[in-house]
Amino acid sequence: AQKVTQAQTEISVVEKEDVTLDCVYETRDTTYYLFWYKQPPSGELVFLIRRNSFDEQNEISGRYSWNFQKSTSSFNFTITASQVVDSAVYFCALSVSLSGGYQKVTFGTGTKLQVIP
Amino acid sequence: EAQVTQNPRYLITVTGKKLTVTCSQNMNHEYMSWYRQDPGLGLRQIYYSMNVEVTDKGDVPEGYKVSRKEKRNFPLILESPSPNQTSLYFCASRGGGSKNEQYFGPGTRLTVT
Repeated sequence: AQKVTQAQTEISVVEKEDVTLDCVYETRDTTYYLFWYKQPPSGELVFLIRRNSFDEQNEISGRYSWNFQKSTSSFNFTITASQVVDSAVYFCALSVSLSGGYQKVTFGTGTKLQVIP
Repeated sequence: EAQVTQNPRYLITVTGKKLTVTCSQNMNHEYMSWYRQDPGLGLRQIYYSMNVEVTDKGDVPEGYKVSRKEKRNFPLILESPSPNQTSLYFCASRGGGSKNEQYFGPGTRLTVT
């Protein structure tokens, strides 16, 4: 069975501070994908990044960066110089293949980030 | 524009009154899913479909039905809604192969009184 743990339920930071959102996953599969989604107050789910299990290279996209470490089964997300628009709930998710080509996606419980002006 | 649409976006209903939430995608995706989102629980999968006429239960299927008669549509049916089905519902679709990013609909907020 797969599991995704986001231990931080809520985080508050002051604008311009850096913040890291933690994600720890469990799976026996050697091939899997990891995702981060953002859910702003408006409610929609916004895709941020996908990483496959064979690619441990960290990624940076503007103020966002992701640190994938298979040794610790973690896929952490850092926002540099946070802004009020970053206030949202962030979900980490794990995807593994089942029979028939279906990808089973398991979500974490989310981390609510509040950026205070 | 590639998108997943859901209707209605908001619904307040009473216990026992059958309802259907529609979901449609215009990307010719094989895979579609329904999730519910509850505080502290994240998103949990209700049902999924791998193609037309192929559906299967997710993690929390009790009280729900689905059908997949056409590739683009994947309605969620609550035959006899109960208050514990009050939730935010998301439909998602995904293409086959390595393109496994899910596209989510805008969500349907359902309240059952």
